[in-house]
Amino acid sequence: AQSVTQLDSQVPVFEEAPVELRCNYSSSVSVYLFWYVQYPNQGLQLLLKYLSGSTLVKGINGFEAEFNKSQTSFHLRKPSVHISDTAEYFCAVSPLPSTGTASKLTFGTGTRLQVTL
Amino acid sequence: KAGVTQTPRYLIKTRGQQVTLSCSPISGHRSVSWYQQTPGQGLQFLFEYFSETQRNKGNFPGRFSGRQFSNSRSEMNVSTLELGDSALYLCASSLGQGDGKLFFGSGTQLSVL
Repeated sequence: AQSVTQLDSQVPVFEEAPVELRCNYSSSVSVYLFWYVQYPNQGLQLLLKYLSGSTLVKGINGFEAEFNKSQTSFHLRKPSVHISDTAEYFCAVSPLPSTGTASKLTFGTGTRLQVTL
Repeated sequence: KAGVTQTPRYLIKTRGQQVTLSCSPISGHRSVSWYQQTPGQGLQFLFEYFSETQRNKGNFPGRFSGRQFSNSRSEMNVSTLELGDSALYLCASSLGQGDGKLFFGSGTQLSVL
């Protein structure tokens, strides 16, 4: 089984400041890692994913994340946030693909990023 | 390309009733997954259908069921509704190739009174 811990439920930040949203996971098997974003009254949108290879992953809207296997972390970063980045961010894992597991994501509880002027 | 479409957007039911939610995936996607989102429990996986077959299921009671049609459209049914079933139900489609990349709809907000 897998579990995901998002250490901060809310992160307030000023516009143009850097931000880091923290995510730790636990799993007895190798996993894929994801960050999704949910804007108000909308579904989730994939920001980025780590499947294998380089541990630094770049996503959409200027976000990036670094996979750290020893610390079982997958923190999300952005060097300069914008008001439009205000949203809920979810870290998620899924087991490496085998029959029937590819779409079974385990999500963290989410981090609310609030960007103000 | 049209995104994932869920209908209806909002639904109000009373305890004991049943409800059916609909999801039309992105064209060409054969996998449809359903998730329940609540403030208390967060996002929880309900089940996944691929080529009309349920191939994975979460830890929900049998009152929650689904099906997928030959055109990949999917429906989710909840029978004997309880107050705790009030939630945002999200549908996600994918190619089902195992990379975990899901495309989510905007969801159906179900309120049980």
